[in-house]
Amino acid sequence: GNSVTQMEGPVTLSEEAFLTINCTYTATGYPSLFWYVQYPGEGLQLLLKATKADDKGSNKGFEATYRKETTSFHLEKGSVQVSDSAVYFCALRPSGNTPLVFGKGTRLSVIA
Amino acid sequence: NAGVTQTPKFQVLKTGQSMTLQCAQDMNHNSMYWYRQDPGMGLRLIYYSASEGTTDKGEVPNGYNVSRLNKREFSLRLESAAPSQTSVYFCASSDPGARQETQYFGPGTRLLVL
Repeated sequence: GNSVTQMEGPVTLSEEAFLTINCTYTATGYPSLFWYVQYPGEGLQLLLKATKADDKGSNKGFEATYRKETTSFHLEKGSVQVSDSAVYFCALRPSGNTPLVFGKGTRLSVIA
Repeated sequence: NAGVTQTPKFQVLKTGQSMTLQCAQDMNHNSMYWYRQDPGMGLRLIYYSASEGTTDKGEVPNGYNVSRLNKREFSLRLESAAPSQTSVYFCASSDPGARQETQYFGPGTRLLVL
């Protein structure tokens, strides 16, 4: 079946530190991959996405590269800010018109 | 353009009571979804509607019913609430067909069942 595994949190970093949140997936066919972010008290919003192998999604300084050979889509940011504190969800859309499959989320706390 | 709206924002129910969570989107999307979010469990799909007039079960449909009232609205009903249904409920919508399809989420409804 289709599934997403992401590193468990919480992750606590100092401001300006480098961030990596690991995400691996299992899927049939050629899924599209997504990172969503949830700020406190809000719904999820799309952070970035990639639709085919070797694509790099990027937004607000965050990046993730679709690696088919390792079935991974790790999220990275070179210098985190306090405002990046949130819960990050990795997700995949299997081939065809099917709903997203989400990982369990990783809580990030950035301290000044 | 409000995006996806949900009502109510908060609700407290007693075990056995019923209620309907409302969701509406103004983006002319064909597909709509209901998720629940629980600590350590991520988001789990309850039901979805790929297009007006169709609904399908997701991962955790037991204890819930849905109605796709029209293209804009997708409601979630709890007929007899149980404490296990205490959760945060999110509605989402999307326009399928493209591989870069994005789901847009509402702000959520926090439900406490006593």
